[in-house]
Amino acid sequence: GQNIDQPTEMTATEGAIVQINCTYQTSGFNGLFWYQQHAGEAPTFLSYNVLDGLEEKGRFSSFLSRSKGYSYLLLKELQMKDSASYLCAVQDSNYQLIWGAGTKLIIKP
Amino acid sequence: IAGITQAPTSQILAAGRRMTLRCTQDMRHNAMYWYRQDLGLGLRLIHYSNTAGTTGKGEVPDGYSVSRANTDDFPLTLASAVPSQTSVYFCASSAAGATDTQYFGPGTRLTVL
Repeated sequence: GQNIDQPTEMTATEGAIVQINCTYQTSGFNGLFWYQQHAGEAPTFLSYNVLDGLEEKGRFSSFLSRSKGYSYLLLKELQMKDSASYLCAVQDSNYQLIWGAGTKLIIKP
Repeated sequence: IAGITQAPTSQILAAGRRMTLRCTQDMRHNAMYWYRQDLGLGLRLIHYSNTAGTTGKGEVPDGYSVSRANTDDFPLTLASAVPSQTSVYFCASSAAGATDTQYFGPGTRLTVL
């Protein structure tokens, strides 16, 4: 079956760095997405990786290793507004998105 | 303002009733999607449409139907609601179909009693 694994919850301190991991087993791979979802709101797009390596976008970076079925989202200089759930999603061979359950990130002052 | 709107924002429904969740986008995106989101689970695809006039089944289509009469609208109908359909429903769209980034509406919180 298809599976996306990410930690259920993480806690970090304001101003620090946090890495949220995502491992996947899917039938085929056509790209990996990270979304941010604040409580009670819709998911919003953060990043897309299709090739191995690091994609940097401001305070957020996303890494992909296709051979290991692994990605991480790196958040630097954490701010209170970064408290949210972070969703990892993989496009399978049919280009359908398979979603992880999300990682709830709690930022403490 | 460009984007996706959903209606209603929330609804409490008696089991057995029929309900249509509305979704409209003004970005002229070709593809549209309906997901449900339940606590502890990832988003699950209910139905999708790659272009106006076509629809397809996702991971959890039973008990739901959709139509895509035009580019902008993609309503989701529950013919006879059951308590297990209590969930938050998100509509999404993407410009060029399945390979493109999906953008989400604000969601509808549905409770079936």
